[in-house]
Parts: sequence; C-alpha cells; structure tokens
Amino acid sequence: GQQVMQIPQYQHVQEGEDFTTYCNSSTTLSNIQWYKQRPGGHPVFLIQLVKSGEVKKQKRLTFQFGEAKKNSSLHITATQTTDVGTYFCAGAGGSYIPTFGRGTSLIVHP
Amino acid sequence: DGGITQSPKYLFRKEGQNVTLSCEQNLNHDAMYWYRQDPGQGLRLIYYSQIVNDFQKGDIAEGYSVSREKKESFPLTVTSAQKNPTAFYLCASSRMGGTGETQYFGPGTRLLVL
Repeated sequence: GQQVMQIPQYQHVQEGEDFTTYCNSSTTLSNIQWYKQRPGGHPVFLIQLVKSGEVKKQKRLTFQFGEAKKNSSLHITATQTTDVGTYFCAGAGGSYIPTFGRGTSLIVHP
Repeated sequence: DGGITQSPKYLFRKEGQNVTLSCEQNLNHDAMYWYRQDPGQGLRLIYYSQIVNDFQKGDIAEGYSVSREKKESFPLTVTSAQKNPTAFYLCASSRMGGTGETQYFGPGTRLLVL
C-alpha cells in the first residue's frame, strides 16, 4: 500500500533559525496536504498542493510539491515560539483516503 | 458555532470492557473518519464513512467497531478485542469523500486502560 515517510522525527532550533520537514511517498500523489498540531491539541489544516512543482507561501511558511509529485517540503523561515508543534503531511494517491506521515515535531528554544 | 465535538475528553477503560467514543459534527459533512494517534506513530486510520449507513475499514480496524446511522454522528466502540487501546483518538470530517478534501478534526479523546 501507499507509504508516506516524513523526516526528521524531531527538530530542535533556536528561535530565529530556519526549519524544514520533508515528506516522501512510495507512489505518485494526486495531492498533498499539510497539517499542524500544537502540543495537546488536534491537527489543523494548513494547505493543499496539487500541481507538479507547485510552491505556495503563507507568511514565513513555504510549501513545495516535487516535480514528480512524490515528495513535498515545508520550510519555516526565522522560527518563532508560536511555531512549536508537530507538522504532518498527508498524501492522497490512488486510494480515496490520504495517508499521513509520522510527523515532525518542532521544538523552538527562545 | 460549527465544528466537531468529541466526548469524553478523557476515558478510562477496565480490562475486558467495551467503551464508546462520541463524535458529532454540525458542518453538514458527508465523510467522517476515526484515527488513532500514538507517540511517534502519526495518525493511523481506523474506520471511515463516506455516507450514512456505510463505512469502510481503515488500516487498523481490528478490535474496533463503528456505526453511521445519522449524518452528523460517527461513534467508535473500542472492544475488549483491542489489546492495546491506550491512545489518543481523533475524529475528523470532510465535506465529501474523495481526494483533495480538507479534513477538520475534533479535539480528541484520550483513552487509558486501567
């Protein structure tokens, strides 16, 4: 079945440093979604990418979808303490239901 | 105020006991989902439903059961056959079934086996 690998599992940064999490699928995806889960909270939708090579920005967050539609990344510029949480990608391929990666937990040290 | 509600927030289960987790949505969404979250494991799909009176097994359905008698409700029963039920359970809904639909999550229920 479809597998979505996400790395790294944890990332410690100093406030102001950049952060990137990577998502790789074993199969070609029709789209990929990104969610953020704050500590003790529930996942909240951030964005969806559909087109090959697509790049979308939300303030300090940049999302990319690979040309082959098998990988994606989320980059945060100049992290802040409010960025703390776990970031999940969820890729949808031939199956109806997106498959979630294991998530990357971002820890920001002030 | 639209959204998804889950109850209870915390639930304690004794060995051999069945427990039911509630999930209600007033978003008029057709599709609903149940996920289990364990530390470092991400979200694993238990069951999903695209329409009333129909549901499908996810990746880890063994030891769980669901029903979808009403559009707004999708309760999950954790049966005694589930040998390791301690986890964080998340319910979600989307406007309709199909890829590309945003999932909206409830606040979750933490289940602990005594």
